[in-house]
Formats: sequence, C-alpha cells, structure tokens
Amino acid sequence: SQTIHQWPATLVQPVGSPLSLECTVEGTSNPNLYWYRQAAGRGLQLLFYSVGIGQISSEVPQNLSASRPQDRQFILSSKKLLLSDSGFYLCAWRAGGRTGELFFGEGSRLTVL
Amino acid sequence: GENVGLHLPTLSVQEGDNSIINCAYSNSASDYFIWYKQESGKGPQFIIDIRSNMDKRQGQRVTVLLNKTVKHLSLQIAATQPGDSAVYFCAENLEAGDDKIIFGKGTRLHILP
Repeated sequence: SQTIHQWPATLVQPVGSPLSLECTVEGTSNPNLYWYRQAAGRGLQLLFYSVGIGQISSEVPQNLSASRPQDRQFILSSKKLLLSDSGFYLCAWRAGGRTGELFFGEGSRLTVL
Repeated sequence: GENVGLHLPTLSVQEGDNSIINCAYSNSASDYFIWYKQESGKGPQFIIDIRSNMDKRQGQRVTVLLNKTVKHLSLQIAATQPGDSAVYFCAENLEAGDDKIIFGKGTRLHILP
C-alpha cells in the first residue's frame, strides 16, 4: 500500500532562518506531488506541484521554493523565513497521468517567531 | 481564485439530523471534484468524488450533488454524528489533464448534542 511521510511534524524557527520540509511517498512510482499551506482557521493554498523529477510548478510568488530531487521526494525550502510563513504545511500525492484524489500527509506545523 | 484568506464559515447541526455543506467552484472547465474532511491538526481525508459527467454520487452516509449550470457542489451527510465534526473542503481539478487541484474555502461542521 502507498504511504506518505512528511517531517518534521512541528518546527519553531526565528525570522530570517532557513527552512527545509521533506516529504516522501512509498509504494508508488511517478506520483504527482503537491505542497499546500494552511493558515490557522483558513483554507488550503496550493504552493507548488510537480509531475516529475526536476519539474516544479509554482502557484504563488513568495520566498519559498520546492525541489524534487528523486521520484518520490518533494522538498519545500526557504533561505530566509518571514513571520507570514507560519502555518500548517501539507504534502500530498496522487497517481500521475490520471484523474484521482489527493492523499495527504499529516502536516508540518511551522511557527516563525 | 482560491478563498484561502477568509475565516471558515460554521454550520451547526443537531446530532441525528442531515447536514448539507455547499461549495461554489470557479472554473466551468473543471471536470473532477472532491470532498475532504479535515480534523483538527491533521491532514485532509478523502470522503467522496464526482466527475463532471455525473450529477449525483452516493457513498456510505454521504451524497455529493453537482450542478454544472451554476457551478455548485454540495455534500450531504445523513444522520450526522459527533464524529462528523470537522472542517469540510471541496476541491476542483482545473481542466481535463491539468494537474492542479484547487481547494474551496471550507466549512466547519459543528454537531449539537
């Protein structure tokens, strides 16, 4: 069966520090991968998605970036965090090449102080 | 566009009654729709989906209705239980073959005893 893992689960970082959130998927190949952000009590905002290694589509201009160095690995990064980057970050996957639902990880809660 | 900046509306329903959660989607070319349930501090979980060639689909205690004329989606939950308390999101797949999945603003379902 397929599983998705993301880490760390919680993170407290000072303003201006770097960020790296990692997500891996097991049990499938060539998935579509997604990063969403959710501010407290609000909806899900699509940040990045990827349909293959090295292929990243950015939805929102910001100080975040994403990379996909391996087929089942998706990384969200920042060189310098802002207060507004605080939120709940969710990684998700779905089978590539066809319509289907997203499967989400358990999320990473980031607090920038 | 995405309604991620808005506070979530709340729907309060008596335990045992039916719940109806509504969603307006933005793109008439969207051809696939999904409902998710998100409990506090967790990633969203798939509930039910529907393709644009259908106007109704039923699952266990849930029914999704799609009205393409007015770009409206609804989720009906029969005999609402305390465990149904959560935030519910609709999501749309923008255009056939596109890999973006955009979420609506979400509705918080509160169950009254």
